[in-house]
Amino acid sequence: RKEVEQDPGPFNVPEGATVAFNCTYSNSASQSFFWYRQDCRKEPKLLMSVYSSGNEDGRFTAQLNRASQYISLLIRDSKLSDSATYLCVVTPYNFNKFYFGSGTKLNVKP
Amino acid sequence: SAVISQKPSRDICQRGTSLTIQCQVDSQVTMMFWYRQQPGQSLTLIATANQGSEATYESGFVIDKFPISRPNLTFSTLTVSNMSPEDSSIYLCSVVPSGSGLSTDTQYFGPGTRLTVL
Repeated sequence: RKEVEQDPGPFNVPEGATVAFNCTYSNSASQSFFWYRQDCRKEPKLLMSVYSSGNEDGRFTAQLNRASQYISLLIRDSKLSDSATYLCVVTPYNFNKFYFGSGTKLNVKP
Repeated sequence: SAVISQKPSRDICQRGTSLTIQCQVDSQVTMMFWYRQQPGQSLTLIATANQGSEATYESGFVIDKFPISRPNLTFSTLTVSNMSPEDSSIYLCSVVPSGSGLSTDTQYFGPGTRLTVL
């Protein structure tokens, strides 16, 4: 079983739409959680950390559900510039490795 | 965050040759990693570069094929040896900055090296 699993998509949504991605992880002892964004032919860049209490940054909201072992990312009022691949990342308790999901591709269309 | 540079940014190589990729960070970092990302795929961890000792390789990756050096806390190299077309990929280094708390630590990526093997 993979450490981290994501729906690869693509999610094709119109501008202004609200879209949500989920990511499940297999190790219940996982300690830290992140969402990264990767544009085509570019390196991944940190979008936001995911805290136990959930966190919001503008149009982006991330949540963690430890009981069901998943994290989510909600994007409101989608922009064309949100088109990218979103990677879920999980680290174990000893923080010596990062496990990447395969990524979810988002296409925001005019 | 840390500023990370990689050299070369891209290269086209003949099969059977070797290429060394450099990763330079503008500050001392605790951890450095090397990843590979093949076309249309997610990132695969090759190894953790350990300062002053041998790198820790993931399953499926071996030192003879991917020798790694890390002479200090700001620099590392990855060599792709005896290349074949299957090694065509983007190679990325990443770092975890020093001094961060466990709850917010994360990693930052270099711009990547795009390798094509003919």
